Amino acid sequence: NAGVTQTPKFQVLKTGQSMTLQCAQDMNHEYMSWYRQDPGMGLRLIHYSVGAGITDQGEVPNGYNVSRSTTEDFPLRLLSAAPSQTSVYFCASSPTLAGPESTDTQYFGPGTRLTVL
Amino acid sequence: AQSVTQLGSHVSVSEGALVLLRCNYSSSVPPYLFWYVQYPNQGLQLLLKYTSAATLVKGINGFEAEFKKSETSFHLTKPSAHMSDAAEYFCAVSARRDMRFGAGTRLTVKP
Repeated sequence: NAGVTQTPKFQVLKTGQSMTLQCAQDMNHEYMSWYRQDPGMGLRLIHYSVGAGITDQGEVPNGYNVSRSTTEDFPLRLLSAAPSQTSVYFCASSPTLAGPESTDTQYFGPGTRLTVL
Repeated sequence: AQSVTQLGSHVSVSEGALVLLRCNYSSSVPPYLFWYVQYPNQGLQLLLKYTSAATLVKGINGFEAEFKKSETSFHLTKPSAHMSDAAEYFCAVSARRDMRFGAGTRLTVKP
C-alpha cells in the first residue's frame, strides 16, 4: 500500500512551458485534492475532486487544470507556467464523498517542488 | 469564508518544557478544526481533529487541543516537548466545501 504518490519530486520549468504533475493513490479514496504551499501562507487549495469525472475549484485555481478519469489518478496541469507558480505542490486524498468540509483525515503525498524561471 | 490565524511563525522551547501553539479561527458556520504536522521534506500528517464532539481532543504523539467557541481558539499543547517534535505545525478549518490552512508555526526544541 503506497498511499499517495507524486511525481516528479523536483521540476524546473521556463516561463510559458507546460507540464503535468502526477498524483496517484491506491487506497480507493473518492476525494482528492491539490494544494500549493508557499512560505508564510500555509497551504492553499487549488482544485479538488469528489469522484471520477467530478472536479471543482478551490481557493487559487487560476492557471491550473485538473481532470479525474479514474479513482486512482488526479493530475494537475500547468498550461503556461509563470514564475508566480513557483511553489511546493501537495496532493491529498481522503475516503469521503463529502468534499473539503468533511471530517475525514486527508492523506498527503510527499510533494513536488516546482521552480519556474 | 472561514480562516485561521496562527500566532507566532516560530516557537522555541526546551526539551521537557510545555509546548503551546496558538490557533484562532473565523467561521460563519460551526467549523471542523484540524492540526497537521509537517516534518522536513515530507507531506502533512494529521495530529488531531475537532468534529463537534468533545471539546478537548487528544491526538497522536501526546498532543491535544481544546476547542473554545467563546474565544474562537483551538490551541495545540503538549506537556513535555521531545526533540522529535521539531517540525512545522499547521492549523486548518473546514466548512462549506472549503478547507483553509494557517500560515504555520515552526517549532524548535532545544536540548
